[in-house]
Amino acid sequence: GEQVEQLPSILRVQERSSASINCTYENSASNYFPWYKQEPGENPKLIIDIRSNMERKQIQGLIVLLDKKAKRFSLHITDTQPADSAMYFCAASRYAQGLTFGLGTRVSVFP
Amino acid sequence: EAAVTQSPRNKVAVTGGKVTLSCNQTNNHNNMYWYRQDTGHGLRLIHYSYGAGSTEKGDIPDGYKASRPSQENFSLILELATPSQTSVYFCASGDAGTDAEQFFGPGTRLTVL
Repeated sequence: GEQVEQLPSILRVQERSSASINCTYENSASNYFPWYKQEPGENPKLIIDIRSNMERKQIQGLIVLLDKKAKRFSLHITDTQPADSAMYFCAASRYAQGLTFGLGTRVSVFP
Repeated sequence: EAAVTQSPRNKVAVTGGKVTLSCNQTNNHNNMYWYRQDTGHGLRLIHYSYGAGSTEKGDIPDGYKASRPSQENFSLILELATPSQTSVYFCASGDAGTDAEQFFGPGTRLTVL
């Protein structure tokens, strides 16, 4: 199986600063690492992902880093806005056998 | 974007009763998944399927069965519902392949009394 640890569980950041969430995984065969954002009462929505053939990916203000040797990946939200306040989940997958999720990070952006 | 729908959206069941949660996707994805989400546990994989007629056990399959009668439909069945199965259930679908994006349905809130 797979285990994914996600830290921190709660993150408060000031508007326009950066927020960083870190995840580690156990199974070296995992090759797909998506990040989901979930608003209260809504379903998880994919915001960015990275595959094992990459080390860095950026979509606008979102940056994902992958360190396969350390089995660690991270999400960095730059220039945070109030709309970035939500739950964020990292996940890992191998061979389309479903995603293993971290426990989530509640991000709050304050003025 | 893939269209994944779930029914019912809310369900109250009695302990020992049978519950069927349904999921439909219209983008011809091969793979479909059932997860449950609980506070403190995040999302956990219950069952998944690679196509019509196939079902596979996920990380927490006990107390659940799955059925994939067609490419579009994937059901989760609780033969004897228990209060511990009170949760929010999400269905997801994705293309075949090791790194295909999964699209989530809106979720079903199940309460077992």
